[in-house]
Amino acid sequence: EDQVTQSPEALRLQEGESSSLNCSYTVSGLRGLFWYRQDPGKGPEFLFTLYSAGEEKEKERLKATLTKKESFLHITAPKPEDSATYLCAVLLYGQNFVFGPGTRLSVLP
Amino acid sequence: EPEVTQTPSHQVTQMGQEVILRCVPISNHLYFYWYRQILGQKVEFLVSFYNNEISEKSEIFDDQFSVERPDGSNFTLKIRSTKLEDSAMYFCASKEGLGETQYFGPGTRLLVL
Repeated sequence: EDQVTQSPEALRLQEGESSSLNCSYTVSGLRGLFWYRQDPGKGPEFLFTLYSAGEEKEKERLKATLTKKESFLHITAPKPEDSATYLCAVLLYGQNFVFGPGTRLSVLP
Repeated sequence: EPEVTQTPSHQVTQMGQEVILRCVPISNHLYFYWYRQILGQKVEFLVSFYNNEISEKSEIFDDQFSVERPDGSNFTLKIRSTKLEDSAMYFCASKEGLGETQYFGPGTRLLVL
């Protein structure tokens, strides 16, 4: 069965305290791995797509990396506005996403 | 910047009633999706739609659900006879033909009483 897990479930950081979020997957037929940000009561907002092991993408304070079994979302010097739930989604060859449960990030001023 | 829109933002209905959730995908996109997210749980795939037909559906998408693209801009999800367990946030998403990225709407929060 295709599975996507994320850790930690929740993370509290002080402003400026860098950390990493993990997304692990066991799927057959990976087409790509996506990171989304979700604010409470809102739809997922696209951040990154990664297609092959070793690939990295960066945007402002965020950097996403991919290996054969997991992806990391590194947050450097986070700010309170980075507080959100970060979702990892795996795109399978059937065209649909399998989402992880998310990591709820709180950045305290 | 183009975005996916959904209406209504909130819907309250009685068990057994029919509901129609509406989405306007990004205008040049060709693939359309519905997902749901029960409160506190994962986002779950329901159905994908391309070229005026369903291309894939999950186990959740049973005979009570249907999708339609009634005109050139709207994409709808109908739940024929709602159950309590249909209460969730429903997200529409779309993607253009070549890219893989799906863009999500803000969601419709459905509450079945």
